[in-house]
Amino acid sequence: AQSVTQPDIHITVSEGASLELRCNYSYGATPYLFWYVQSPGQGLQLLLKYFSGDTLVQGIKGFEAEFKRSQSSFNLRKPSVHWSDAAEYFCAVGKPSNFGNEKLTFGTGTRLTIIP
Amino acid sequence: EAGVTQFPSHSVIEKGQTVTLRCDPISGHDNLYWYRRVMGKEIKFLLHFVKESKQDESGMPNNRFLAERTGGTYSTLKVQPAELEDSGVYFCASSQEGFGGEEMILAKNIQYFGAGTRLSVL
Repeated sequence: AQSVTQPDIHITVSEGASLELRCNYSYGATPYLFWYVQSPGQGLQLLLKYFSGDTLVQGIKGFEAEFKRSQSSFNLRKPSVHWSDAAEYFCAVGKPSNFGNEKLTFGTGTRLTIIP
Repeated sequence: EAGVTQFPSHSVIEKGQTVTLRCDPISGHDNLYWYRRVMGKEIKFLLHFVKESKQDESGMPNNRFLAERTGGTYSTLKVQPAELEDSGVYFCASSQEGFGGEEMILAKNIQYFGAGTRLSVL
């Protein structure tokens, strides 16, 4: 069975500092990989996704993530955080499918706090 | 284009009562999913509809939960009777269906989520 680990429950960074959120997965092959963000009072918004190809993917809001097959990781990064990035971040994996209807498996989430 | 919408945004009920959650997917999306997040835990899959048919309901916790999707449009998730452990945030998501080239196949693997319904059972 597939699983996702986000080892950091809560991270606090200063505005303008760099950010890296960790995500490790367990899956028999290369899954589809996703990062979602939930801001207060909002739904889950897709930040970026990895299906295949270039292992460094760019997303919205200046985020990027790197897929490392050897480490089974898909860490999320941002060079300089803004106060509006305060939110909860979820890593998820899905089984590759030509039908596009596989359920997602999520990690427990990482809550990001930004301090001035 | 409207996104996935869920009603209500918050529901507070007493143990033993019945609650019905509603989800309206993005127009034209045949796939509809329900997920749940119990406080402090991961978001867990409950079930998946393709149009009006249940494709996978392996995540449904027990028979107190009933999901329907009449006509293949909106879906409801009923909890009857509600128990304390049912408290959490219920998310709905939708994705495209259909066949096509590689870009379409990849697009179908993207699930769009609603804001969730926070259920509090007292």
